[in-house]
This record gives sequence, structure tokens and C-alpha cells, in this order.
Amino acid sequence: EAGVAQSPRYKIIEKRQSVAFWCNPISGHATLYWYQQILGQGPKLLIQFQNNGVVDDSQLPKDRFSAERLKGVDSTLKIQPAKLEDSAVYLCASSKGTLVETQYFGPGTRLLVL
Amino acid sequence: AQKVTQAQTEISVVEKEDVTLDCVYETRDTTYYLFWYKQPPSGELVFLIRRNSFDEQNEISGRYSWNFQKSTSSFNFTITASQVVDSAVYFCALSGVSSNTGKLIFGQGTTLQVKP
Repeated sequence: EAGVAQSPRYKIIEKRQSVAFWCNPISGHATLYWYQQILGQGPKLLIQFQNNGVVDDSQLPKDRFSAERLKGVDSTLKIQPAKLEDSAVYLCASSKGTLVETQYFGPGTRLLVL
Repeated sequence: AQKVTQAQTEISVVEKEDVTLDCVYETRDTTYYLFWYKQPPSGELVFLIRRNSFDEQNEISGRYSWNFQKSTSSFNFTITASQVVDSAVYFCALSGVSSNTGKLIFGQGTTLQVKP
């Protein structure tokens, strides 16, 4: 069974530019999560989708971050405009459902904002 | 509020030594789930174990074992006879049922270095 796929793996941009990340979850997984992991810290949830609906986006900086999961499968996370403090690893995870299901993570996208 | 604390920032051991990674959690939920993930240098978080709050039995999987104690709100992870391939960052995480979303609350992580 294929795991969670993410692209690109690395991205370097200048501040105020925009960037987009893509995630394809494990087949059949209804729930998709985007986490931000700043160097030296644990991942922090940005947004959670159940199928194509948003379940939790309380920690998403909505003035610059947006995410969508239009067909309930793959998802994109966008930052516009980027700030220096957005430098982090962006991890995508998926699970079959929510509460009792284990989340499986992709390899992440390392973003460096100069 | 829910919180996970991994007080050990870095641990260094020599191969074949046993090592224990500590995890202390806080939650008001009576039903919750605890997890351990491994993050090797490649960056991907690898799932190791999930434990629910009603199951306090210790678990062993090969060289890995987990000790869950509700009385002290701890969920510690022990690697027996460590190997160089165990070198990674290990995260403990908590998911409380009251959040109704399955959101994981992660600790800061413990970096384990196993030297040959």
C-alpha cells in the first residue's frame, strides 16, 4: 500500500513570495491533516479535513495560509505572502477516520524563506 | 488544556545500552490516546504505537517496550540493546476524545544518538 505522498520535498523562496505544497493521502483515508514543524519543536496542527470539509482550522494563520481538498482526496496548502517565520517542515498526514484512527505521515516539505 | 512534556532534549548512548525516553502528559479527558512516533533524519514521522487510556498493560515489540502509568500520567518508551539505526528524534503525542477531531498534541521530542 502506498504511503502519503508530498511534493515538493524542498523549497527555497524569498519573503513575500507565494508557495504551494501538495499532498496525496493513503488511498481510502477520509481524514487529512497538515502540520507545521518548526526546527526543534514537535509538529503543530494547521488544518484538518474530513473528506472535503474542514474539521479544524483554528491554528491556521488565515491571513496568509490557505488550504483546500476539493475532491476529498489530495490537498494543497498555500502560503501567500511568506514570512521568515514560515520556515519549517510541512507535514501531511492521513487516517481512515478521526478519533481512534492512527495518523500516517508523509515525508514532509522543507521550506526555507530567505 | 492538553499538554505533552518530553523533558529529555537529547540522549546519547553507546550501542547495546538500554535507554528510556520519558513522556508526561496532561489532559482532562477520561478517554484519550497516546502515541509514539520516530522521526529519522529523512524527516518522515514513523508510527510506533498507539495506546488508549483504558489499557494500562505494558507492551513489548521486539526491542521496544512501553510503560503506561495513569497514576503518574506517564507513557515511557524503552529501547533495549540500542542500535545505531535507532538514532532519531522520538515524539510522544496525545489525542483527547473531547477535541472530537483526533488532533495530535506533540511533545518537543527527544533526540536519541546511538554511537557505535
